[in-house]
Amino acid sequence: EAQVTQNPRYLITVTGKKLTVTCSQNMNHEYMSWYRQDPGLGLRQIYYSMNVEVTDKGDVPEGYKVSRKEKRNFPLILESPSPNQTSLYFCASSRQPQGEQYFGPGTRLTVT
Amino acid sequence: GENVEQHPSTLSVQEGDSAVIKCTYSDSASNYFPWYKQELGKGSQLIIDIRSNVGEKKDQRIAVTLNKTAKHFSLHITETQPEDSAVYFCAASIDSGYALNFGKGTSLLVTP
Repeated sequence: EAQVTQNPRYLITVTGKKLTVTCSQNMNHEYMSWYRQDPGLGLRQIYYSMNVEVTDKGDVPEGYKVSRKEKRNFPLILESPSPNQTSLYFCASSRQPQGEQYFGPGTRLTVT
Repeated sequence: GENVEQHPSTLSVQEGDSAVIKCTYSDSASNYFPWYKQELGKGSQLIIDIRSNVGEKKDQRIAVTLNKTAKHFSLHITETQPEDSAVYFCAASIDSGYALNFGKGTSLLVTP
């Protein structure tokens, strides 16, 4: 089954404790992206990647890091999480830059 | 950068009625306009998209119209059903990159 998986689905952590949210897709897509979704703000792009070792900033990259060492994986790293990073995070992948994006199920992160 | 405005933020209709959601964009270079549906607890799914060389596109009960001059596009759902209840996001992008700019979302409720 073609899918994008994210782990964990739910995470509660404390300020400053480094964390990684994993994202994996099995569709051999070149393009992958991370979004955060906040009430009243919709989906905002954090980072995206157009291929292995090629990443670029989206609209809200501050406080986040990503890496793309393999085509299928695109982890999101929060080196020192802060409460304003409490949000719902989605990973997505697509075959083309302007094509259907396949979204993961989301990761709800709470930083206290 | 591109700014996408979406209205209304909430919409309640009776089953069988039509629903219309409108979006405007700011960057005249935008040429790809997808619509995504997000059901509760799930990632978003593409329901329809349109490119700037087309004025209207229809898929069964769903249609999208695009007015390039006015820089706005709309989603039309006819004969609404309770399973159409979800959050709908519009988006816009240009073909020189992978940035997809989303509207803030419309929460649609279809009551039986």
